[in-house]
Amino acid sequence: DVKVTQSSRYLVKRTGEKVFLECVQDMDHENMFWYRQDPGLGLRLIYFSYDVKMKEKGDIPEGYSVSREKKERFSLILESASTNQTSMYLCASSFGDGYGYTFGSGTRLTVV
Amino acid sequence: AQKITQTQPGMFVQEKEAVTLDCTYDTSDQSYGLFWYKQPSSGEMIFLIYQGSYDEQNATEGRYSLNFQKARKSANLVISASQLGDSAMYFCAMRGANTGNQFYFGTGTSLTVIP
Repeated sequence: DVKVTQSSRYLVKRTGEKVFLECVQDMDHENMFWYRQDPGLGLRLIYFSYDVKMKEKGDIPEGYSVSREKKERFSLILESASTNQTSMYLCASSFGDGYGYTFGSGTRLTVV
Repeated sequence: AQKITQTQPGMFVQEKEAVTLDCTYDTSDQSYGLFWYKQPSSGEMIFLIYQGSYDEQNATEGRYSLNFQKARKSANLVISASQLGDSAMYFCAMRGANTGNQFYFGTGTSLTVIP
């Protein structure tokens, strides 16, 4: 089975810290995505990547950046964490056109 | 622009009964795919069922079926014989031909199965 692994299930960080959320997939998927999930808002796309060293902004990229140095790893970076970035972060990957997503188990980030 | 609407924030169903979760969508794409995901309290998103816009038959996967009405732009999920383990958040999602591999999600419906 395809597996998408997010390095942390729960994370607590202080305001102003630089935060790294890591996501690794093990099935050579081309596409990787970062979403944040908030009650009543559903899932909103932050950034995505179709290839190594390639990135595209999603609907809410402000305050975030990403890195994809290797095909299997897609990192989400909060340059200076703020309390409004407290959320559930979900990573997903897919093989290509016409394929569905496989999700990681999510990271619940709390910024205090 | 793509939009997914789920109008039921919360639903309750008696164990062993059937339940329908609503989903409507808006897209200008002629070709698109519709997906349903389940999210238990553990947080992981689990793929349930897929319907392509050109599929003539409604999709079914075990106890899950998708009631696809293209003209009404609706893709409701039907869960038959509900079980306690079905209690979870359910998300409807769409991918359009012109959106690449990006999915658009609804706001979700929280389903509680009552014993």
